[in-house]
Amino acid sequence: RKEVEQDPGPFNVPEGATVAFNCTYSNSASQSFFWYRQDCRKEPKLLMSVYSSGNEDGRFTAQLNRASQYISLLIRDSKLSDSATYLCVVSSGNTGKLIFGQGTTLQVKP
Amino acid sequence: EAGVTQFPSHSVIEKGQTVTLRCDPISGHDNLYWYRRVMGKEIKFLLHFVKESKQDESGMPNNRFLAERTGGTYSTLKVQPAELEDSGVYFCASSHHFVTELAGGASGFLAYEQYFGPGTRLTVT
Repeated sequence: RKEVEQDPGPFNVPEGATVAFNCTYSNSASQSFFWYRQDCRKEPKLLMSVYSSGNEDGRFTAQLNRASQYISLLIRDSKLSDSATYLCVVSSGNTGKLIFGQGTTLQVKP
Repeated sequence: EAGVTQFPSHSVIEKGQTVTLRCDPISGHDNLYWYRRVMGKEIKFLLHFVKESKQDESGMPNNRFLAERTGGTYSTLKVQPAELEDSGVYFCASSHHFVTELAGGASGFLAYEQYFGPGTRLTVT
């Protein structure tokens, strides 16, 4: 079983749609949680950290449920520029190493 | 501020040859990480340096991989001899270091944002 599981998609949505991605993690000792974005043939870039109370950054909302070991990302009013792969990432242990999900591909169409 | 840089951007070598990848972290970042993405798989952790010391090398696949960070600045990752399954994209990342005291007096580590380099695409033929 993978440590971080994501639905790989692809999710094909029209501009303006709302789309939600989910992710589960297996290690209950995980301490930090993130969503990274990766464009084709580029490096991963931090989109947002995920806090237990939930957090929002513009059109993006992230939620964490520690009891269910579940993380979500909601994108409202999708833009063409949101097309990318979204990586669910957790960090555990005392070194800060990141554990990645396989990524969910989003394609926003005009 | 310059970002994380990696060299080369691409490398094509034959099985059995040696390749050395280089990573220059963001200036002042004590933490340096190596990750790898093999085609069709998720990005996986290889190892972590704090300054020049290896903190965690649990992700290194085998003893054909050798990472160094002499002087605590740039790092190199050598693959010798390369095998076909070593093909993939090798990412380097760096971050600040922050230590916090947890309940009970134990030391913990809060993960700061890791900034990734553009990666080295390695193809072993």
